[in-house]
Amino acid sequence: TQLLEQSPQFLSIQEGENLTVYCNSSSVFSSLQWYRQEPGEGPVLLVTVVTGGEVKKLKRLTFQFGDARKDSSLHITAAQPGDTGLYLCAGASGNTGKLIFGQGTTLQVKP
Amino acid sequence: KAGVTQTPRYLIKTRGQQVTLSCSPISGHRSVSWYQQTPGQGLQFLFEYFSETQRNKGNFPGRFSGRQFSNSRSEMNVSTLELGDSALYLCASSVTGTGLNEQFFGPGTRLTVL
Repeated sequence: TQLLEQSPQFLSIQEGENLTVYCNSSSVFSSLQWYRQEPGEGPVLLVTVVTGGEVKKLKRLTFQFGDARKDSSLHITAAQPGDTGLYLCAGASGNTGKLIFGQGTTLQVKP
Repeated sequence: KAGVTQTPRYLIKTRGQQVTLSCSPISGHRSVSWYQQTPGQGLQFLFEYFSETQRNKGNFPGRFSGRQFSNSRSEMNVSTLELGDSALYLCASSVTGTGLNEQFFGPGTRLTVL
């Protein structure tokens, strides 16, 4: 059974601080996606990483895929209240049409 | 391009009843996946449909079923509802459901079972 473990589960920080969310597995994924979900809405795709060691930047967000394609991290620089939400990592494996989701990290950024 | 739409957005049912949820994917997307989201279990995969065929299934009882129509719209059905079925049901569409498998989610249907 493939599992993705996300940490931390909850994070409450002040505006301007930096943070990192981790997503780890013992399984290899063909790609890994990061989503953000706000209350009452569905998850919104932020980025997809495919190649081991890949780093992608989206404004203040930096995503990294581990060399072995088993883990990933999301780093936010100078967090803002608008970054508040549930961050989810999800792994795709082969051609299964199925995503395995981590438990999510609830981020609260206080002004 | 219109996003994924789900109807209804909210639903209240009682134990033993059945329910049907609907999902319209993004135009041109042929793969539709369904997920159940609860505070305790997070997002769990229910099943995936591609070209009217169930291609993948998660670890849920047979009370959960679905189908896909020729226009790629999908429905899921839950029979003999239990209290534990209360959850947010999310539908996601992707072009083929393979490769990068980037999925785009609808807003979900919030099901409450009393």
